[in-house]
Formats: sequence, C-alpha cells, structure tokens
Amino acid sequence: TQLLEQSPQFLSIQEGENLTVYCNSSSVFSSLQWYRQEPGEGPVLLVTVVTGGEVKKLKRLTFQFGDARKDSSLHITAAQPGDTGLYLCARDTRASGGSNYKLTFGKGTLLTVNP
Amino acid sequence: GAVVSQHPSWVICKSGTSVKIECRSLDFQATTMFWYRQFPKQSLMLMATSNEGSKATYEQGVEKDKFLINHASLTLSTLTVTSAHPEDSSFYICSARVLVRTQNYGYTFGSGTRLTVV
Repeated sequence: TQLLEQSPQFLSIQEGENLTVYCNSSSVFSSLQWYRQEPGEGPVLLVTVVTGGEVKKLKRLTFQFGDARKDSSLHITAAQPGDTGLYLCARDTRASGGSNYKLTFGKGTLLTVNP
Repeated sequence: GAVVSQHPSWVICKSGTSVKIECRSLDFQATTMFWYRQFPKQSLMLMATSNEGSKATYEQGVEKDKFLINHASLTLSTLTVTSAHPEDSSFYICSARVLVRTQNYGYTFGSGTRLTVV
C-alpha cells in the first residue's frame, strides 16, 4: 500500500497567521489532489497538481508539488476563521486488476482558525 | 458542475434494523460510485466501489453482507447497512469520479449521511 503521510494532524491558530500542511509519500505520483471538508459535509476538490515543481494558487492558498512528485504542500496566508476545516491530500489511482480508479486519502489535517 | 445528491443527511435507527442511503448523480451518469466511511476528526476510508449493472468491489476488511451496495442505474447507487449496531454509527459519504478540467479528473462528493444506531 502506497501511503500518504500528512502532517500536522491537528492545527489550531489565530486569525491572520500563516500555516503549511504537508503531504508525503515514498512513492512517485502522477498527480495529487487536495480537498477541503467542512463539518457535516462532503469534501470539495481544491486543486490537482500534476507536474513536478508545479505551484498553483487559489486566492490565499498556495499548493506546491515536489520536484520528484513524492510530496506536496498547502500553504495558507493570513488564515481566516472561514478556512477552518479538514484538509485532505489524496491520490487517484487505478485499482489493481481492473479498469476502475479509486481515491485514497491521507489522514488529513484538522485546521481551526480562531478569531 | 457535476452534483451528487445524497439522502438522508442524517438518520437514527434502532439496533438490529437496516438503513438505506441513496446517492444520485444529478446532471451526469455515473457508471461507478464510491462509498466512504468517516469517524469524527478522521479521514475518509474507502469501503467499496459500486459499478452499474455488476457487483460492487469491497475493500479489505469490509463485510459485503453487512454493507449491501446496489447500483441499478447510471444515476443511483444505494448503500444498505443491514442489522445495524452502535459500532456502525458513522458518517457515510458517496462520490463519483468526474472530469474537472480538460485533462484532469476529480471526485465530487455527496453531502454525507450521519448514521446513529441506538
């Protein structure tokens, strides 16, 4: 099993602070997805990174894919209470022995931004 | 965009009864749907993959007789928790794989079902 190690698992910060969430693996990925989940809801796709060294920005969120495509990070600038949620990295892979794909998540980072 | 509608959003049932959760793709056809289980403050764990017109594929350790999956049409997949017990209480979420950008695929998720077995 090619695991996704995500850190930190929990993060509680004050409004206005910056933070970084990491997603690492010993395997090379063709791509990596980041999701955000609010309490009582399903995850929502934020971004997909595909190219080694790629940087994508989504307002105050910056996503980076490592050069070797084994790791990724999510950086939030000037966090706001509305950023509170569970952030998940995930890999989309073809299931063994078949044509179906499946999405496997890291353990997630539960972020709380206090006003 | 592609929307997956999941119902009910929450359900409370008595121990020993069965509960059915529905997941519908509203504006697209989903030949495959995925069912996840999530405990509080934890990540999502894939339980099974449902395939329209054929048997579901279950992940290791998931009891297929306990969690019955039916995918009878291209827009509806159901998960039935049979003979539910308190340890089955959890947040169940379905999803479908969709084309998000020209060449990239992503997953769209239902809003989840909070199951409480008393």
